[in-house]
Amino acid sequence: QSVPTQPPSASGTPGQRVTISCSGSSSNIGSNTVNWYQQLPGTAPKLLMYRDIYRPSGVPDRFSGSKSGTSASLAISGLQSEDEADYYCSSWDDSLDGWVFGGGTKVTVL
Amino acid sequence: EVQLVQSGAEVKKPGESLKISCTGSGYKFSGYWIGWVRQMPGKGLEWVAIIYPDDSDNRYSPAFEGHVTISADKSISTAYLEWSSLKASDTAIYYCARQGRTVPTLRTLDFGLWGQGTLVTVSS
Repeated sequence: QSVPTQPPSASGTPGQRVTISCSGSSSNIGSNTVNWYQQLPGTAPKLLMYRDIYRPSGVPDRFSGSKSGTSASLAISGLQSEDEADYYCSSWDDSLDGWVFGGGTKVTVL
Repeated sequence: EVQLVQSGAEVKKPGESLKISCTGSGYKFSGYWIGWVRQMPGKGLEWVAIIYPDDSDNRYSPAFEGHVTISADKSISTAYLEWSSLKASDTAIYYCARQGRTVPTLRTLDFGLWGQGTLVTVSS
């Protein structure tokens, strides 16, 4: 089982586009859908994207997801100060028979 | 309002037992999978276990199986995570998280609703 890999940090100025990568394996991202979670400082995680590309109601369309092969990406366009948070990708892993989370990416708005 | 409310922070000694809870309201508790996710201090998220309250079908992460027990009492809309012998390394925030939407298989499930978290501190 290979836990998805995310860059530890990403940053941008207000209004910029930031992309976060999530690199997995054939046992997780390569054969299952990806969900993304946003964790604002000191709060519980919140579902941001599900089944690779879908946004729950209430999530701004500035957030978008994509997937190709064993990797997925989350893009934030028109970066805002309230987007400063930790972002985690997650997928079912066939070897684990359960969910794996990426290590998380801390997004900083400069 | 649909929500999950968790029990309060706990401070325990190594070797002690503990049971933390997560109570759902505003929806049919028995009809949604509900899981537990660990976050150690300053670290990322780790899936622990999940249960379907209607029939208590459950799954464990291999990393936690044998060390924790997940259970649920659908009559009071509450899920539990229990330890019989805590270790210092169990110190973490534990979140309960509910299935977000109806899915055809468990592998496509997302955690669409989260509790506020329970801080467990294990120290001698």
